[in-house]
Parts: sequence; structure tokens; C-alpha cells
Amino acid sequence: EDQVTQSPEALRLQEGESSSLNCSYTVSGLRGLFWYRQDPGKGPEFLFTLYSAGEEKEKERLKATLTKKESFLHITAPKPEDSATYLCAVQANQAGTALIFGKGTTLSVSS
Amino acid sequence: IAGITQAPTSQILAAGRRMTLRCTQDMRHNAMYWYRQDLGLGLRLIHYSNTAGTTGKGEVPDGYSVSRANTDDFPLTLASAVPSQTSVYFCASSETGTDPDTQYFGPGTRLTVL
Repeated sequence: EDQVTQSPEALRLQEGESSSLNCSYTVSGLRGLFWYRQDPGKGPEFLFTLYSAGEEKEKERLKATLTKKESFLHITAPKPEDSATYLCAVQANQAGTALIFGKGTTLSVSS
Repeated sequence: IAGITQAPTSQILAAGRRMTLRCTQDMRHNAMYWYRQDLGLGLRLIHYSNTAGTTGKGEVPDGYSVSRANTDDFPLTLASAVPSQTSVYFCASSETGTDPDTQYFGPGTRLTVL
């Protein structure tokens, strides 16, 4: 069964304190792995798509990496505005266009 | 600004009533999706449509129906609402075959069934 597990469930950081969020996945052939940011009361906002192991993508203070079993979202010198829930999703080769989501990591950054 | 609009923003509904959630996109994406998001369960796919005129079932389709008469609109209907359908509903769209299956989400509809 295709599955996505995110850890930790919640993470509290001080402003400037770098850290990483983990997304472990089990899928029958990975077509793509996606990271989204979701603010309270809003829809998920697309951040990154990763397709193959070894791939990395960056956007401002965020960098996403991918291996054959997991993905990391590295947050460098976070600011309070980075506080949000970060969602990871995978798309399997055999599943058409369906995305399988993890339950998310809620990040709180205090100044 | 291009994107996805959903209506209503929120709704309180009596059990047994019929309700249609509306979703419209202006990106001319071929594929559209409906998800529900529940605390502790994450986002789960209800129904999808890969192109106008076709629809398919997702992980949790029971109690819901969809139609796709044109590219832009993808309404979700609850024929007879039940309290377990209390949730936040998100519509999404993607252009399959070009930016493979990156899904873009609308702002959501918060539905409470009493």
C-alpha cells in the first residue's frame, strides 16, 4: 500500500534556528514527490516537485531533497513568516494522477 | 489573478439536505480534483476528472457525486448530507503531460453538517 509519513508532527523553532522536516514514503514506483505549504484557513500552496533521487530544489530559505525512501525540507534561518503546516505528497506511477498526502508538519517560528 | 475559486466559503447544512460545492478554474487545466481535509487524517481524494466529460472515484467517494461538463467547472454534490461529511473541501487542478501533475489548490469550503 502506498503510504506517506511526515515527522515530526509539530516543530517549534527560534528565529534563525535551522532545521529539517522529514517525509518518508512507500510507493510502487515514484512519479513525483510534492511539497506544499498551508496557512491556517487557506488552501495548500505549491512549493516544489521532485522527480528522482538526488534531486534538490531551493526557494528562498527552503531546500527540498529527495532519496529513494524519503524527502527532506530544510529550512535555513527561518523567520516567523515561515510558520505554517508543510505537506508532503507522492504520486505513484500506477495511480494515475492521484496524490497521496502525509498528515503534515506544523512549524512555529518565534522571534 | 489566475487560479481556482470555490463557493461558498463556508456553509452550515442540516443533515439530509442536498448541497453542491462549486469550483471554477481559469488556468485551462485538463484535470480537476476534489479533496476533503480532516484533522488527523490529512487530505483525501474524493473524485477526480482527467478531462471534460470524464470522472473517476478517489479514496473516499461514497456520498458524493461530480460532473465535468466543461474544462473550467467541477461541482461536487452531496445528495443527502450526513454529519460525517463535516470537513474542509478543497478543489484542485493540474495540467497533466506538461508540468506533470503538479496540483494547484483553491481556498477551500468549510462545511458543517448538523
